[in-house]
Amino acid sequence: QKEVEQDPGPLSVPEGAIVSLNCTYSNSAFQYFMWYRQYSRKGPELLMYTYSSGNKEDGRFTAQVDKSSKYISLFIRDSQPSDSATYLCAMSYNTGGFKTIFGAGTRLFVKA
Amino acid sequence: DAGITQSPRHKVTETGTPVTLRCHQTENHRYMYWYRQDPGHGLRLIHYSYGVKDTDKGEVSDGYSVSRSKTEDFLLTLESATSSQTSVYFCAISAGQGYEQYFGPGTRLTVT
Repeated sequence: QKEVEQDPGPLSVPEGAIVSLNCTYSNSAFQYFMWYRQYSRKGPELLMYTYSSGNKEDGRFTAQVDKSSKYISLFIRDSQPSDSATYLCAMSYNTGGFKTIFGAGTRLFVKA
Repeated sequence: DAGITQSPRHKVTETGTPVTLRCHQTENHRYMYWYRQDPGHGLRLIHYSYGVKDTDKGEVSDGYSVSRSKTEDFLLTLESATSSQTSVYFCAISAGQGYEQYFGPGTRLTVT
């Protein structure tokens, strides 16, 4: 079993839809939870990160962490064609240095 | 791409040849990482560095070596390239918080 599981998609939605992207994990030691966006043939770009449980909002993006269920989500409101990309979740914990594990990524297509 | 460059951006090489990829940063960040990205596997850590001449192995380090003689440069060497090392390689940097990593544009390597 992988430490971090993420549905690869693809997920196709119409412009303006609310998008929900999710990851589950098995290691309860994870403390930091990140979302990266990766456009085709580009490097991943850090969107946002949260520490422990709770929600964090940044513009149209909301990250949610439920440590009791080992489940994290990224919501995108009013989705735009420019949001079409692969979204990777990632999780870290500090073992004297940070160990970070990435999900395989979900491909999202937002249709105009 | 947060002051990170990778060279070359594309390379085709033959099985058995040595290959060196270079990562250069202008951010003066302490930590540098090499990842490979393959379909279905997401990003997997090959090696990382926590200072000049200080490096350590990641989860998929077999067949790879690294060196860091200057803060700004981190080299990844495939000692004898194999077809299984065909991948996209990303360099990343972080200031200290390993959960906040910034990625370079990637190197697409094909081993024939």
